[in-house]
Order: sequence, then structure tokens, then C-alpha cells
Amino acid sequence: EAQVTQNPRYLITVTGKKLTVTCSQNMNHEYMSWYRQDPGLGLRQIYYSMNVEVTDKGDVPEGYKVSRKEKRNFPLILESPSPNQTSLYFCASRRFAGDSNQPQHFGDGTRLSIL
Amino acid sequence: AQSVTQLGSHVSVSEGALVLLRCNYSSSVPPYLFWYVQYPNQGLQLLLKYTSAATLVKGINGFEAEFKKSETSFHLTKPSAHMSDAAEYFCAVSERNFNKFYFGSGTKLNVKP
Repeated sequence: EAQVTQNPRYLITVTGKKLTVTCSQNMNHEYMSWYRQDPGLGLRQIYYSMNVEVTDKGDVPEGYKVSRKEKRNFPLILESPSPNQTSLYFCASRRFAGDSNQPQHFGDGTRLSIL
Repeated sequence: AQSVTQLGSHVSVSEGALVLLRCNYSSSVPPYLFWYVQYPNQGLQLLLKYTSAATLVKGINGFEAEFKKSETSFHLTKPSAHMSDAAEYFCAVSERNFNKFYFGSGTKLNVKP
């Protein structure tokens, strides 16, 4: 089954403790992206990747890092999490970068709470 | 910079009534526009998209949207609401390379029996 898998689904942690949210897709997609969803703000793009070793900033990249060492994985790293990063995070993938005919496939989300 | 405004964070309609969810955008170049739906505890699913072909776009589940350049709008409609349409709907605009996306704040649709 084609899917985008995020782990963990839920995490409560404390300020400053490094964490990584993993994202994996099994569709051989080139493009992957991370979003955060906050009430009243919709989804905001954090980072995206057009292919292996090619990443770029979205609208709200501050406080986050990403890497794309393999095509299927696109982890989101919070080196020193702060309470304002408490949010619902979504990973998405698409077959090709710059392709309007392919929809983005979204994961089920990761709810992060940073105390 | 691009932006998307969705008027009305909550919309309530009766089953069988017309659904109208509003979306206005600002963009310095002709945009590509999308509507997504999010059911509880799930990710987003694409409903429909406008990519400079026909201005009236038909999507899944009976939804459609019309791109009106003069009004910078891309409102979502469905002639007859169904209980299963209750969800949150997001309008989004993309840069022409489809790598950056900007979402509206979302509209929660409630359908009353």
C-alpha cells in the first residue's frame, strides 16, 4: 500500500531535548516536504526536498533541520525544541518536484508537545 | 509573497443545502490553486486543483471551484451537502515550480441533519 509514514505519532518532551521525527515513503517519490499545522494558521511549510541531498527552506524553517540522505526518508530534526514548536506536523511526498499533475500524499501527522 | 485568505473559520449547512467555502489569494504572478480536505486525525487529501487550464475545475466527491482572476478568488462549492462532507477544508496556492505551498487558515464545515 502506497503511504507516507511518520513516527512517532505523539510525543511529549521538554525544552532543549533534541528530537527527530521520521518520515518515510514507499512510492519512490522525489519530492518531500514538512508542514506544521496550528489552529487558525492552517499549514505552513517548514522545509522541502526536491531529491536526495537537495533541500530548501519553506515559510517557517527557523528552529528546524532536515536531511535527505536517501530517497525514501526525510527526517525533521529539532536540535533544541522550544514550547513554540508545539504543533501538529505533517510530512508529504510527491512523485516529481515541479509536477503539477501529481498530488501530494500526506502522512497522518505527528503531534508534538514541548513543555 | 503569496498569501491565502479563507473567510469563515466555521461554516454550518443543512444536509442537502449548497456548500460555499470562500478563498481569496494574493499573488504577484498567475497562481496555481488547490483545495484540500482534512478529516479528523488524518492528513490532507487533494480535492481539486487549478493549473491555468479551465477556470471551472471539478474535483472529487462532487466539489468544484471556479478561478476568477478579476476577483482573485477560488471559491469551493458543492450543490448538495452530505453528512460525510463534514471536515476541515484548506485552500492553498503554489509557486509555479510547485515546490513551495501556502495554505489558508482552514474552514471547518459542519453538516446538520
